[in-house]
Amino acid sequence: DAKTTQPPSMDCAEGRAANLPCNHSTISGNEYVYWYRQIHSQGPQYIIHGLKNNETNEMASLIITEDRKSSTLILPHATLRDTAVYYCIVRANFGNEKLTFGTGTRLTIIP
Amino acid sequence: ETGVTQSPTHLIKTRGQQVTLRCSSQSGHNTVSWYQQALGQGPQFIFQYYREEENGRGNFPPRFSGLQFPNYSSELNVNALELDDSALYLCASSLNRGGGRSTDTQYFGPGTRLTVL
Repeated sequence: DAKTTQPPSMDCAEGRAANLPCNHSTISGNEYVYWYRQIHSQGPQYIIHGLKNNETNEMASLIITEDRKSSTLILPHATLRDTAVYYCIVRANFGNEKLTFGTGTRLTIIP
Repeated sequence: ETGVTQSPTHLIKTRGQQVTLRCSSQSGHNTVSWYQQALGQGPQFIFQYYREEENGRGNFPPRFSGLQFPNYSSELNVNALELDDSALYLCASSLNRGGGRSTDTQYFGPGTRLTVL
């Protein structure tokens, strides 16, 4: 079973920041928070990951709460091409740790 | 840097047949993981290959099998196909630094869409 909880769907206006929440209240100390997205029928695309500090890259920012029980993925200026299913996954970075996908959040960017 | 590639893109088979799907890992990666994604669901882990051996398996029957080659590419074989095997099959490559140390981010290929009639 997935260890994360996400809202099933969200809308965001084009050009605005999209904030996607994720709850992972049972996260272990050695587990990272990963975000992937999947545009219709394509392979999942890696976005960002973090352990406890906030992270930023060219695609997004990841804000992890101090207790690590939740996080928020921020797409700073959403475009229509950001419409996708976004998956939040917790995963340890050792051994054969698989990715356990939940149902994700379907983000729709509104023109 | 070459990304993860998969072949074929689409495939149609009938019940009872066998199928082989192929995956080439991203350059510098030595581990391949396979996932099955049924329509409307998230990907489900099938198994992972590292050093040409199975290195973890999800809840899939033995008729799902795989191989990894010295160049780190991989095959997924499914025997005795069933209608429920219709899905998008995804492979992901990553770097396992060995000795129980970190396994890095998994990067996915575009997938193979398998339809079983």
